[in-house]
Amino acid sequence: GAVVSQHPSWVICKSGTSVKIECRSLDFQATTMFWYRQFPKQSLMLMATSNEGSKATYEQGVEKDKFLINHASLTLSTLTVTSAHPEDSSFYICSASPGQYYGYTFGSGTRLTVV
Amino acid sequence: DAKTTQPNSMESNEEEPVHLPCNHSTISGTDYIHWYRQLPSQGPEYVIHGLTSNVNNRMASLAIAEDRKSSTLILHRATLRDAAVYYCIPPRRRGGADGLTFGKGTHLIIQP
Repeated sequence: GAVVSQHPSWVICKSGTSVKIECRSLDFQATTMFWYRQFPKQSLMLMATSNEGSKATYEQGVEKDKFLINHASLTLSTLTVTSAHPEDSSFYICSASPGQYYGYTFGSGTRLTVV
Repeated sequence: DAKTTQPNSMESNEEEPVHLPCNHSTISGTDYIHWYRQLPSQGPEYVIHGLTSNVNNRMASLAIAEDRKSSTLILHRATLRDAAVYYCIPPRRRGGADGLTFGKGTHLIIQP
């Protein structure tokens, strides 16, 4: 089945530094990938749509200069949290789908803690 | 956009069947209904999806009402590992690649 790998699974960083999270589709190509954020005891919120070879599309209220997305190949999307602050601490999850009539596969998530 | 309504939580005993309802009265066209679940500290996991008739897979069954305004996810014999938040997701827009809109889902508690 379709597999999405996300790395790292957790990261602790200092306030003001940047953190990169990788999302890979292992056995299918994904022209589109999605990034979600989940705060404790809340549901997932779509942050942005990552498009291979073009600019990402950000949901309303998500700062594109803070959450840099790069989708340089059909199997890799990266999310960089720039100048991280404690309020950026969250669970970040990526997903992709092999096609329109398939379900989405999600990565295992990245727990970001900014201290 | 289509919206869904699910109970906030449900409780069941281990080894018993569980029926998780979802209302999607604004659904239209021929869009699929998807169900996902999220175990603690993990990314969501695909459970099942269907269009008009009942669907079965190794994880669950999906019963879709004839008018397609509601559906029920059925876990035939719940185990402790089925304790999770279950999300009934509005249909994807046809021909598009859209992110999913997650509601609050149903928190399923399984008692041993």
